[in-house]
Amino acid sequence: QVQLQQSGPGLVKPSETLSLNCTVSGVSLTIGYWTWVRQPPGKGLEWIGHVHHSGTANYNPSLMGRITMSLDTSMSQFSLTLHSVTTADTALYYCARGSGWYPSWGQGALVTVSS
Amino acid sequence: EIVLTQSPGTVSLSPGERATVSCRASQSVINNYLAWYQQRPGQAPRLLIQAASTRAAGTPDRFSGSGSGTDFTLTIDGLQSEDFAVYFCQQYGSSPRTFGQGTALEIK
Repeated sequence: QVQLQQSGPGLVKPSETLSLNCTVSGVSLTIGYWTWVRQPPGKGLEWIGHVHHSGTANYNPSLMGRITMSLDTSMSQFSLTLHSVTTADTALYYCARGSGWYPSWGQGALVTVSS
Repeated sequence: EIVLTQSPGTVSLSPGERATVSCRASQSVINNYLAWYQQRPGQAPRLLIQAASTRAAGTPDRFSGSGSGTDFTLTIDGLQSEDFAVYFCQQYGSSPRTFGQGTALEIK
């Protein structure tokens, strides 16, 4: 059974960097794509981007220039880094498996941007 | 980017009734690559349908998807108590992937 377990700080100060990890079990990280999606409180879902096991990534243009995704296959973990955060980046962040439709999701990590 | 507009925003129905949720795209969805998700409070989204009409593993057959091009529909026949949740459509035919704003299905 594929499982995704998220970790990362819940509070980030404005202008600083948000970093989240997603640890995968039940399937190899070397298969396919791995995705990040976020959901501001009480709102809908926003696709952040995805990363292939080769390291190739595709990001939402709205976040381009601030975002990096990477994988560490030895730790079965993929990561999201978002620079220069503002209060608009406050959201529930999800990791998910796939590049098109997403059959497996992490539990979600609430990140609040506040001083 | 493709904008997905769902209607209605909220629908109130009774258990046993049929629910219909519409998802309209601002341009044609390539290969009808459209998915539907269910999200219950405090939970991650759960994939119901992919490729417009293919039920995901574990999706009950009371859920069905239809449509093509720019107009898609999620139908739930014989609503059960666990079906009252928020539903999202998502297109993955082009980048960036985009989601509809969601439809809340409430108990009447």
